[in-house]
Amino acid sequence: DAKTTQPNSMESNEEEPVHLPCNHSTISGTDYIHWYRQLPSQGPEYVIHGLTSNVNNRMASLAIAEDRKSSTLILHRATLRDAAVYYCILSSNSGYSTLTFGKGTMLLVSP
Amino acid sequence: DTGVSQNPRHKITKRGQNVTFRCDPISEHNRLYWYRQTLGQGPEFLTYFQNEAQLEKSRLLSDRFSAERPKGSFSTLEIQRTEQGDSAMYLCASSLLIGGGAYYEQYFGPGTRLTVT
Repeated sequence: DAKTTQPNSMESNEEEPVHLPCNHSTISGTDYIHWYRQLPSQGPEYVIHGLTSNVNNRMASLAIAEDRKSSTLILHRATLRDAAVYYCILSSNSGYSTLTFGKGTMLLVSP
Repeated sequence: DTGVSQNPRHKITKRGQNVTFRCDPISEHNRLYWYRQTLGQGPEFLTYFQNEAQLEKSRLLSDRFSAERPKGSFSTLEIQRTEQGDSAMYLCASSLLIGGGAYYEQYFGPGTRLTVT
């Protein structure tokens, strides 16, 4: 699976939007972009995924660059509960195979 | 709540002892995955099952590790002759693979934290 690059950490204030970037310059045409997050002392949880088009769900939005070499996870209004490590993952299928996690981005949210 | 459950949540053992962890996936999920996570790192894949068949094993899974899913429901992960380097969080995840172009998110359990002294 292709590699992703994320900042080690980011900070945000509560109720402000957060843009979490992910670079994946070696992405192949069939790679899906997955985002998972891990709250403290919990297992990871699915956030969102996409292939080519931008995606929205109740948790977040995923903006995918036109060349697909980067993507951005958008939390529209950060809450204290959004403080977590966010992982950007590529896989050559729609999630049914194994996930290769990097170190992710630790998001700190201040009140 | 019928999410993924793991037992025990914590295990402290002495070096050289054997330990076994259990994972109960979401009912009817046919795929089950084991991952290991050390402090400050993301989870690393160990192995996965489709029903009772073990389809893939990572090179991280040494001969001291064995996993089973005898009836395609719960799974066990056993570590024999534990070493201090085995100290980690062991995570289990499950998903439902049905084909037809659907997306298969993985649902993770809370993990079993192993400490080898």
